[in-house]
Amino acid sequence: GAVVSQHPSRVICKSGTSVKIECRSLDFQATTMFWYRQFPKQSLMLMATSNEGSKATYEQGVEKDKFLINHASLTLSTLTVTSAHPEDSSFYICSARDFLAEKETQYFGPGTRLLVL
Amino acid sequence: EDQVTQSPEALRLQEGESSSLNCSYTVSGLRGLFWYRQDPGKGPEFLFTLYSAGEEKEKERLKATLTKKESFLHITAPKPEDSATYLCALVARGAQKLVFGQGTRLTINP
Repeated sequence: GAVVSQHPSRVICKSGTSVKIECRSLDFQATTMFWYRQFPKQSLMLMATSNEGSKATYEQGVEKDKFLINHASLTLSTLTVTSAHPEDSSFYICSARDFLAEKETQYFGPGTRLLVL
Repeated sequence: EDQVTQSPEALRLQEGESSSLNCSYTVSGLRGLFWYRQDPGKGPEFLFTLYSAGEEKEKERLKATLTKKESFLHITAPKPEDSATYLCALVARGAQKLVFGQGTRLTINP
């Protein structure tokens, strides 16, 4: 149980284009999903917290107009990197928390590798 | 400020050589402490959640313990497939987000 998927697993795009990454909780409902990015040999950096049916809460320094987050259902959240630039190249990981479970455990997706040329 | 510090940064062991990873933390009130395993190029895999001092949890060769100031991840008779980065994180009372340590990169040599 507690499986989270991400799509695509890797994407290469040209500078200036937009890229959408999907995060799905496959066997549970998630009122809250989280988006992280991770640079090589570093820990995860939280970008934003996404609550179903409401606006995402962004961490300090993260541009909300550049990283658009939509959490339209209890099993799906999307991250759109708008007008991507090479410095946006990174490993993006989502996590989800089980709505029905009393525990605080977050389950992570497999990650999406983004390369902007 | 809530903080998590893991040590050592990297650890090399021989297959079968037991050891422990340390996670020291400071938090105003602990909601939960978590251990994850992360393989290169993949998302973190959930291992354990601990909620209160004195709690212990086990899974195969791994055992996690918790005190009021630190958590240990004990690995008994490790195998090469246990090689990974182990991440410790906490959620503070009243918060939602995980506060991560920098991780311990564990290598088990055959």
